[in-house]
Amino acid sequence: AQSVTQLGSHVSVSEGALVLLRCNYSSSVPPYLFWYVQYPNQGLQLLLKYTSAATLVKGINGFEAEFKKSETSFHLTKPSAHMSDAAEYFCAVRSSMGSQGNLIFGKGTKLSVKP
Amino acid sequence: EAQVTQNPRYLITVTGKKLTVTCSQNMNHEYMSWYRQDPGLGLRQIYYSMNVEVTDKGDVPEGYKVSRKEKRNFPLILESPSPNQTSLYFCASSLLLARTDTQYFGPGTRLTVL
Repeated sequence: AQSVTQLGSHVSVSEGALVLLRCNYSSSVPPYLFWYVQYPNQGLQLLLKYTSAATLVKGINGFEAEFKKSETSFHLTKPSAHMSDAAEYFCAVRSSMGSQGNLIFGKGTKLSVKP
Repeated sequence: EAQVTQNPRYLITVTGKKLTVTCSQNMNHEYMSWYRQDPGLGLRQIYYSMNVEVTDKGDVPEGYKVSRKEKRNFPLILESPSPNQTSLYFCASSLLLARTDTQYFGPGTRLTVL
């Protein structure tokens, strides 16, 4: 079975500091991985996705993630945090069992950005 | 504008009173899904549908029903709501051409069952 683990339910950074949100996956087949962002009182919005075309994936709002097969990781980074980045971030893997559509989500990491 | 819509956005009800949360998408997507989001648990899938008249259980289907009579609509039905179904609910849709297809989410429905 596939799964994702997000390390740290809360991460706090200062404005302008590096953002690093961790995601490790478990999959017996090549995974398809996604990062979604949820701003307060809103639905989920896709940040980026790994589709095996390139290991370094660039997304919206300056975020990027690197797929590392040897570490089974897909950590999300942004060089310089902005106040508007405060949100909850979810890592997800696409299920290979049964429906091709099912996403399996991590428990989320809430990012706070201090002025 | 391509979107997934949900109604209502907020709902307070009482135990046992049947309710329906509607979900509609205008992208001609085959796949639709319902999730619930609870603090510390992330999103958990309730039911999903791969096309009209094709539905299947997700991870937490107990107490919920769905139907898919039309491609664009995927209502979530709680026939006898209980307080443990108080949660934030999201509908999502995507194409089914490839596992890389993006899943689009609605704005959410916050349900409180008293």
